[in-house]
Amino acid sequence: KQEVTQIPAALSVPEGENLVLNCSFTDSAIYNLQWFRQDPGKGLTSLLLIQSSQREQTSGRLNASLDKSSGRSTLYIAASQPGDSATYLCAVSPPGSGNTGKLIFGQGTTLQVKP
Amino acid sequence: DAGVIQSPRHEVTEMGQEVTLRCKPISGHNSLFWYRQTMMRGLELLIYFNNNVPIDDSGMPEDRFSAKMPNASFSTLKIQPSEPRDSAVYFCASSLNPFTGGPGYTFGSGTRLTVV
Repeated sequence: KQEVTQIPAALSVPEGENLVLNCSFTDSAIYNLQWFRQDPGKGLTSLLLIQSSQREQTSGRLNASLDKSSGRSTLYIAASQPGDSATYLCAVSPPGSGNTGKLIFGQGTTLQVKP
Repeated sequence: DAGVIQSPRHEVTEMGQEVTLRCKPISGHNSLFWYRQTMMRGLELLIYFNNNVPIDDSGMPEDRFSAKMPNASFSTLKIQPSEPRDSAVYFCASSLNPFTGGPGYTFGSGTRLTVV
């Protein structure tokens, strides 16, 4: 059974700092991995998607990497801003899900960026 | 497009009552997902549909839960009878299959259900 773990559960940093969020998964046979952002009381917003054949994806100040063999992904946020404060969730498509979009989520990392 | 639309945003009901949650996916998306989020268990997939057909309902916790998708633009999640432990935020999401990810995977704002 695929399990997704995110460390740390919470993180507080001063504005401007570069930071890394970690995600690990137990079964490397994934179809893809996504990072989402969730603001309090809101739904999830997709940030980055990495297909299983890719190593990384970048969008603005965000960079996500994927190492399937070790079952790990990282989300790098450069020059953090208070507006980056949110919960970040990692999700993988489990083996056998093909391209249906079925996802298994980690518990998330709650980030606070202090001005 | 207005995104994935869920209703109601909040629902408070008494134990034993029937609850119906509604979802309108993004037009053109052919996969629809119902998730439940709680502090203890995080986000869990309950059921998903592809082209209006239920593909995997292994996440539905009990027979009290049922979901339907009568057409490509509407889905319901029903709980009958409801129990206090069903209290959670229920999210609907839709995507395009074959799935290319990114902005194609879209969540609604959720329905916060409280069963007292």
